[in-house]
Amino acid sequence: GESVGLHLPTLSVQEGDNSIINCAYSNSASDYFIWYKQESGKGPQFIIDIRSNMDKRQGQRVTVLLNKTVKHLSLQIAATQPGDSAVYFCAENEDSSYKLIFGSGTRLLVRP
Amino acid sequence: DAGITQSPRHKVTETGTPVTLRCHQTENHRYMYWYRQDPGHGLRLIHYSYGVKDTDKGEVSDGYSVSRSKTEDFLLTLESATSSQTSVYFCAISLKGAEQYFGPGTRLTVT
Repeated sequence: GESVGLHLPTLSVQEGDNSIINCAYSNSASDYFIWYKQESGKGPQFIIDIRSNMDKRQGQRVTVLLNKTVKHLSLQIAATQPGDSAVYFCAENEDSSYKLIFGSGTRLLVRP
Repeated sequence: DAGITQSPRHKVTETGTPVTLRCHQTENHRYMYWYRQDPGHGLRLIHYSYGVKDTDKGEVSDGYSVSRSKTEDFLLTLESATSSQTSVYFCAISLKGAEQYFGPGTRLTVT
């Protein structure tokens, strides 16, 4: 598949452990945030989103935390599995045109 | 892939030739987007469309043009391809709010 990034920060975790992927966003006016997962050779896949009026949102095995004070977003994956190995991107929405600004991504490697 | 297809999936072309990439959706959504993805740069917006014949530039629009003559198709054209346009190109659509769903990508190599 295509190489997503040669110099991405990498998080390596043991299968079954919890993973935390962090993202700093740039615009204090952003009011909507998304986490995407991208596997090799595929397009980004929506995982979970959160609006700025919330500080936490949970999905299936995933939780997103938003700290607007320090403009920080995190994605927590519980009981990480080999299938979670991918590159994860955060994205922020800046205006009503629905444009998203993407972070550079973090590569998650799950050790068996 | 939320009813999004891209064609071709792979293309090799020579510098100076025109290239058109196609994005097709079956979801009847208003917003469509073209991104490029390069190592070290993540996803960068090239152009987007907010309706038929309504388009606007993204952050890396130089050297690219788009057209949207009907809701389901969004075309990206490289007027005269350059080696710096070698990349993976993704189309996306908005289903609700800013939540975007992506197609499978087109790998373009300009030699």
